[in-house]
Amino acid sequence: ETGVTQTPRHLVMGMTNKKSLKCEQHLGHNAMYWYKQSAKKPLELMFVYSLEERVENNSVPSRFSPECPNSSHLFLHLHTLQPEDSALYLCASSQAGIEGYGYTFGSGTRLTVV
Amino acid sequence: GIQVEQSPPDLILQEGANSTLRCNFSDSVNNLQWFHQNPWGQLINLFYIPSGTKQNGRLSATTVATERYSLLYISSSQTTDSGVYFCAVGDSNYQLIWGAGTKLIIKP
Repeated sequence: ETGVTQTPRHLVMGMTNKKSLKCEQHLGHNAMYWYKQSAKKPLELMFVYSLEERVENNSVPSRFSPECPNSSHLFLHLHTLQPEDSALYLCASSQAGIEGYGYTFGSGTRLTVV
Repeated sequence: GIQVEQSPPDLILQEGANSTLRCNFSDSVNNLQWFHQNPWGQLINLFYIPSGTKQNGRLSATTVATERYSLLYISSSQTTDSGVYFCAVGDSNYQLIWGAGTKLIIKP
C-alpha cells in the first residue's frame, strides 16, 4: 500500500453505463490528480485538484467528470464512454508547494469499455 | 512545451549487472521525478531530483539542470527491478510532462 487507494481495481462497462472511480489518500497531501495511461502512450494528465479546487483540466471530454468533495477523496465519474477510453486510470497525490516531495500513485483502475 | 526523451527505450540485462537510464529535457525545469512502474501497473516514486545527486540503496540519480539531463543508475540489478522507468519533468507543482519510459527486463 502506498497511502493512495483506488477502487475498483478492474472495471468492465458498456458504452451506455455510468460508473465512478474512487481515490482516497491518507497522506495529508493537498493536491490530487487523475492520469490516463494507454498502451504505447505517455501518461496523460486529466485533472488536478489543489485544496479541493480544480486547477487543471487538460481538454478532457465531458464524458469524464471529476469530483473532489474533500482533500482526501477524489472521484472520476464516467458516462457514455467509448472503446478508446479503455486504459489504466491512475490517481496520485502530492504536497504541492513543498520542495522535495514527489507524487504518490495508487494502484490504478484498469477500465475496459465494451 | 517541454519535451522529454528517455533512452534507451528497452534494456535487457542479466541479474547482477549495472545500468544507466537517461532523461533529456528541452527546457529549464524545477521539478523532476523518476518513477518505477512494476508489471502490475503500480507506479512508485523513486526520486524527486530537480538538481544534484541522491542515493537510495542500489539506486541513485543525478540531474545536471544546466545541461538538461538526468541519469538513473541501478547497480547489482535484481529481477524485481524489472518494469518501466519513467522520468517526468515540470515547471510547476502540478503539470508534469512524462517521458515514454525505459522498459527494463532483468533476467535471472
